[in-house]
Amino acid sequence: AQSVTQLDSHVSVSEGTPVLLRCNYSSSYSPSLFWYVQHPNKGLQLLLKYTSAATLVKGINGFEAEFKKSETSFHLTKPSAHMSDAAEYFCVVTRGVSSASKIIFGSGTRLSIRP
Amino acid sequence: GAVVSQHPSRVICKSGTSVKIECRSLDFQATTMFWYRQFPKKSLMLMATSNEGSKATYEQGVEKDKFLINHASLTLSTLTVTSAHPEDSSFYICSARGQGSSYNSPLHFGNGTRLTVT
Repeated sequence: AQSVTQLDSHVSVSEGTPVLLRCNYSSSYSPSLFWYVQHPNKGLQLLLKYTSAATLVKGINGFEAEFKKSETSFHLTKPSAHMSDAAEYFCVVTRGVSSASKIIFGSGTRLSIRP
Repeated sequence: GAVVSQHPSRVICKSGTSVKIECRSLDFQATTMFWYRQFPKKSLMLMATSNEGSKATYEQGVEKDKFLINHASLTLSTLTVTSAHPEDSSFYICSARGQGSSYNSPLHFGNGTRLTVT
């Protein structure tokens, strides 16, 4: 079954430095992968998605992620962190190939930004 | 576009009462809606999948009689927490997939409902 593992529960970086949030996936076929961001007591916003068109995916707010099949990874990166990036980030995989397929969340990574 | 409205954003109720949470797709028709529960500092746990006009499909371990889901139209799904208890206190989030969307289309999420049972 499809699943994702977020390797870090908490990442802290200084403002202006690069961000790396790690995600590994498990899938028996080519997966659909997403990154979502959640600010405190809010819903979720889609950052980017991978659906096999291109391995390097650019998202909103300067984030991007690279799909690496050999490493079964889909890490999220940003060259320079901003204070507003502090939030919870979820790596997500679709389970199933029908319109009712489920979206399964990773455990989340809390990103903190130091001034 | 693709806005999902969830109401209420916060609700406090007494133990033993029932609470209804609404999830509406404002500018698209949602054939499938999903309900998630999120514990503090935890990930989102899928509770159930609802398809318009049919019974919801519940995940293992989710009590069907406690969490009643109705998806009566293409723009509205409701979650009713029946006979609420303090352990039902949580953050509930709905999401929707538009009519004609493929399996790899992203979901659109509501802003969540903070339920506190006293």
